[in-house]
Amino acid sequence: DGGITQSPKYLFRKEGQNVTLSCEQNLNHDAMYWYRQDPGQGLRLIYYSQIVNDFQKGDIAEGYSVSREKKESFPLTVTSAQKNPTAFYLCASSTIRDLAYEQYFGPGTRLTVT
Amino acid sequence: QKEVEQNSGPLSVPEGAIASLNCTYSDRGSQSFFWYRQYSGKSPELIMSIYSNGDKEDGRFTAQLNKASQYVSLLIRDSQPSDSATYLCAVTRANTGTASKLTFGTGTRLQVTL
Repeated sequence: DGGITQSPKYLFRKEGQNVTLSCEQNLNHDAMYWYRQDPGQGLRLIYYSQIVNDFQKGDIAEGYSVSREKKESFPLTVTSAQKNPTAFYLCASSTIRDLAYEQYFGPGTRLTVT
Repeated sequence: QKEVEQNSGPLSVPEGAIASLNCTYSDRGSQSFFWYRQYSGKSPELIMSIYSNGDKEDGRFTAQLNKASQYVSLLIRDSQPSDSATYLCAVTRANTGTASKLTFGTGTRLQVTL
C-alpha cells in the first residue's frame, strides 16, 4: 500500500521538552512538507524539502528543525523554543517532475504540550 | 487582505442539491489550484486540481477557474451527507521542477442536511 505514515497519532509532552514527529512515505515522491493546523486557521508551512540533504524554511519555521537524510523520511523536531507548539501537525509529499504539484497528506500527529 | 479567502460557513444544503464553494486569491502569479476535503479530526484529502481557466469535472465534482477574476470554485452535484466536511482551497505559483509551496484558505464548512 503506497502512502504517507505519521507517528504517533497523539503525542503529549511537558513544556521545555523537545519532541520529534515521524513522517515516512513510500510514494517515491521527491518533495516533502510539514504544515501545522490550528483551529480557525489554514494550514501553515513549517519546512519543506525538494531533495535529500536539502530543506528550506517555510512561513513559520522558528522553533522547529528538520532533517532529510533519506528520500522516504522527513522528521520534524519541535523544540522548546517554539512558543505555541500545541497543534495538529501534517506531513505531505509531492512529485516535482511534472506540472501536477499535487500534495498528499499523511494522517497527522496531534501534539499537546502542557 | 488574506492571500486565499474562503467563506467559513457553515454552508447548509439539502441532500441531492448542488453545493457551491468559492475561493478568491490575491497572488496573480498563482498557477495551480487545489481543493481538499477535510473531515473533522482527519487530515486533508485531495479531491480536485485545476491549472487552466474553465471547468474540470470529476464525477460529482466540478472545479471552475477564472484567473482574470482570481477565483476558483468547487461545485458538488447531488450532495450527500457524506460530503459534510470542511473544504480547503489551496494555491501555488510553483514552476516546473520546484517544490510547491501551497497557500491554504481557512476552509468552508459544508453541511448536507437530510
